[in-house]
Amino acid sequence: KQEVTQIPAALSVPEGENLVLNCSFTDSAIYNLQWFRQDPGKGLTSLLLIQSSQREQTSGRLNASLDKSSGRSTLYIAASQPGDSATYLCAVRYLRNTGFQKLVFGTGTRLLVSP
Amino acid sequence: EAEVAQSPRYKITEKSQAVAFWCDPISGHATLYWYRQILGQGPELLVQFQDESVVDDSQLPKDRFSAERLKGVDSTLKIQPAELGDSAMYLCASSFTERETQYFGPGTRLLVL
Repeated sequence: KQEVTQIPAALSVPEGENLVLNCSFTDSAIYNLQWFRQDPGKGLTSLLLIQSSQREQTSGRLNASLDKSSGRSTLYIAASQPGDSATYLCAVRYLRNTGFQKLVFGTGTRLLVSP
Repeated sequence: EAEVAQSPRYKITEKSQAVAFWCDPISGHATLYWYRQILGQGPELLVQFQDESVVDDSQLPKDRFSAERLKGVDSTLKIQPAELGDSAMYLCASSFTERETQYFGPGTRLLVL
């Protein structure tokens, strides 16, 4: 079964700290990997998408890396701000035997950045 | 900027009642997804449409859940009868093709009493 695990489940840091969120997946035959942000009671917003052939993607203060062989991805947030407080979800896209793809989500890391 | 629309945003119902959720994807998006997200967990795919056809409903509890996308545009997800365990956030997403980024709506939060 294709499983996606995120560690830690929750993280609380003071403003200004750099932090790393971890994602691991059991099946390395991925198509791509995506990081999402979810604010309480809201839908998901895509942050970064890394193709299986890529090693990392950057957007502003966010940097995501991918190591397919070890089944791991990390999301690095530089100089955290209170506005970064949210749940961060990792999702892995697999190719199914039907030819269609499927997105498998992790359980998320709940981040709180204190002023 | 185009967005995925969902209604209602919140729904409270009693068990054994019927509920329905509506989703309007971004214009031109052929692929539409319904996810269920239980509190504290990641979203789980219930059903995926390619235009008006279902391409994956393997996780849809078909004895009580149904989904349709008759004209390949908007979609309805129905639960009948609702059970206590159905309390969750129901998210709709769409993408131009199923290989591209999915855009999510705000969700419908369901509470079954």
